[in-house]
Amino acid sequence: QVQLVQSGAEVKKPGASVKVSCKVSGLTLTEVCMHWVRQAPGKGLEWMGGCDPEDGETTYAQKFQGRVTMTEDTSTDTAYMELNSLRSEDTAVYYCGKDYGSGYVEDWGQGTLVTVSS
Amino acid sequence: EIVLTQSPATLSLSPGERATLSCRASQSVGIYLGWYQQKPGQAPRLLIYDASNRATGIAARFGGSGSGTDFTLTISSLEPEDFAVYYCQQRSNWPGTFGQGTKLEIK
Repeated sequence: QVQLVQSGAEVKKPGASVKVSCKVSGLTLTEVCMHWVRQAPGKGLEWMGGCDPEDGETTYAQKFQGRVTMTEDTSTDTAYMELNSLRSEDTAVYYCGKDYGSGYVEDWGQGTLVTVSS
Repeated sequence: EIVLTQSPATLSLSPGERATLSCRASQSVGIYLGWYQQKPGQAPRLLIYDASNRATGIAARFGGSGSGTDFTLTISSLEPEDFAVYYCQQRSNWPGTFGQGTKLEIK
């Protein structure tokens, strides 16, 4: 059974960085494409970036370019999303997700709440 | 970036009724559009991919249609567990983008 288990909630000060992890089980990272989506409190879903279904390269949404880095450790089947220069508007639940190259998130992590507050 | 506009923002219906949700893209996405359901406190769930294909385990009452810029999610007969927020997502122009969501509420 495929599972995506994310790291726990974080509280950060403005200007800091956060790194959220997403451990995959039931398969290996080399088999899938990983994506990251966030959701601010009471708001809709926002795509941050992920694996392009056409070429497998990780692409970031323009809004986050220069501030986000998505990486993978295939030795531990863990994906990471690091967001820098945090501001209050980055307070959100961050989700990892995976697909097999379809471009749609077929399975999701449970979400990680990141709170940015002074 | 392709902008997806969903309508209506809120849809109030009763169990047993038919629901029709719309998603319009700012430019053609071909058939590369999906639909998700999200309930409070839960991660989204993929319902439909490539405009009309049901994801694994999704009930037959969920159906998708459309191509180009206009898409529809239809729920043929609403069950109590179907009341949730629904999002469309395009994967034609990477990275993907979501619509703002339609809240389906009990009338």
